[in-house]
Amino acid sequence: GESVGLHLPTLSVQEGDNSIINCAYSNSASDYFIWYKQESGKGPQFIIDIRSNMDKRQGQRVTVLLNKTVKHLSLQIAATQPGDSAVYFCAENTSGYALNFGKGTSLLVTP
Amino acid sequence: GAVVSQHPSRVICKSGTSVKIECRSLDFQATTMFWYRQFPKQSLMLMATSNEGSKATYEQGVEKDKFLINHASLTLSTLTVTSAHPEDSSFYICSARLALAKNIQYFGAGTRLSVL
Repeated sequence: GESVGLHLPTLSVQEGDNSIINCAYSNSASDYFIWYKQESGKGPQFIIDIRSNMDKRQGQRVTVLLNKTVKHLSLQIAATQPGDSAVYFCAENTSGYALNFGKGTSLLVTP
Repeated sequence: GAVVSQHPSRVICKSGTSVKIECRSLDFQATTMFWYRQFPKQSLMLMATSNEGSKATYEQGVEKDKFLINHASLTLSTLTVTSAHPEDSSFYICSARLALAKNIQYFGAGTRLSVL
């Protein structure tokens, strides 16, 4: 049977390398997606968003890619730094404007 | 960006007592606030949607009589955990949606509730 208590997938990268975090979303009708960063004991922090009429959006050191065909979202972080170590969540909007969060990926940046 | 203040950041209480958590939008009006719960190493799960001046909408499986939500003004929503039990121990996070920017939500720093 399933284990109780989910284990967050972990991505370990070396400082200076690029990181790619992936997310699969469930609702084909979702038209807005957001990536959040959450540090231990803190609330989610907005990183970047993208609307469904786009397939790529760039920010400072971050890029979000959206593939609506396979309902896949990715976050690319360039030149990863120790301060980037955190848990990253993708989120899709719902009809009531609440957010449906993905399971999260723990990013660990090693020196 | 807009600031959402959540208080207290941490609370420890005895089983059977009630705990109130406040969520304030400091520099904007929030017609809608959301309450999430997060267990260790898990994602955020929506508990309820709180609209100013009306009753909150609860997600399936969330007891409305146990988790009382009040949204009396455009800048304040409160979550009261009534008769708390150890299984209610969790990280509770609120977010506020800008009235004129429907898709943008700002999150509070969260409240760590520990019920003994």
